Amino acid sequence: NAGVTQTPKFQVLKTGQSMTLQCAQDMNHEYMSWYRQDPGMGLRLIHYSVGAGITDQGEVPNGYNVSRSTTEDFPLRLLSAAPSQTSVYFCASSLLGGSEQFFGPGTRLTVL
Amino acid sequence: GIQVEQSPPDLILQEGANSTLRCNFSDSVNNLQWFHQNPWGQLINLFYIPSGTKQNGRLSATTVATERYSLLYISSSQTTDSGVYFCAVLILTGGGNKLTFGTGTQLKVEL
Repeated sequence: NAGVTQTPKFQVLKTGQSMTLQCAQDMNHEYMSWYRQDPGMGLRLIHYSVGAGITDQGEVPNGYNVSRSTTEDFPLRLLSAAPSQTSVYFCASSLLGGSEQFFGPGTRLTVL
Repeated sequence: GIQVEQSPPDLILQEGANSTLRCNFSDSVNNLQWFHQNPWGQLINLFYIPSGTKQNGRLSATTVATERYSLLYISSSQTTDSGVYFCAVLILTGGGNKLTFGTGTQLKVEL
């Protein structure tokens, strides 16, 4: 049972480039989400999904897209990276109904 | 939206000392979790504790939901306890399981 996995661990982009951060879980969790963490701050919700085919925006969605075609995977896409998107990105999953959430190891992204 | 405040913001302890971290929240919640972010950046689940008291080794947590606060106790601290401790709360909405995080308590345990 690998839990929540994320790739890559580190990434450097130039302004305007696009990329996809991968997230997968093997716990059959319906709920998956993406957070970003900036220095000195807690985590802020970007997008979330309550099941395959269903996604919605969180607190800071601008500049990011998501889709969910399977229960296991929830990729986060940056269409045109900006320096303001330099951050550490965490994926999380849980059962629905307010259950305990589990986080992946994070992806550290730098946009130059 | 709900406000989550943690105190103290920073804490330095000698190894072996005890400490109490506090989390106050501004509204009724359905869930509360404590996390430890280690120096490598990983978020480790400590407690899932919407109410009551739980213990796990040297750590314990108490949530008093009616008074809107939670406490994390660390006893006999070790250098491996260093890192940032986050409290996060959840209010169930039609939109899923959004966690709102506090800004954390930075703990350093010295020899």
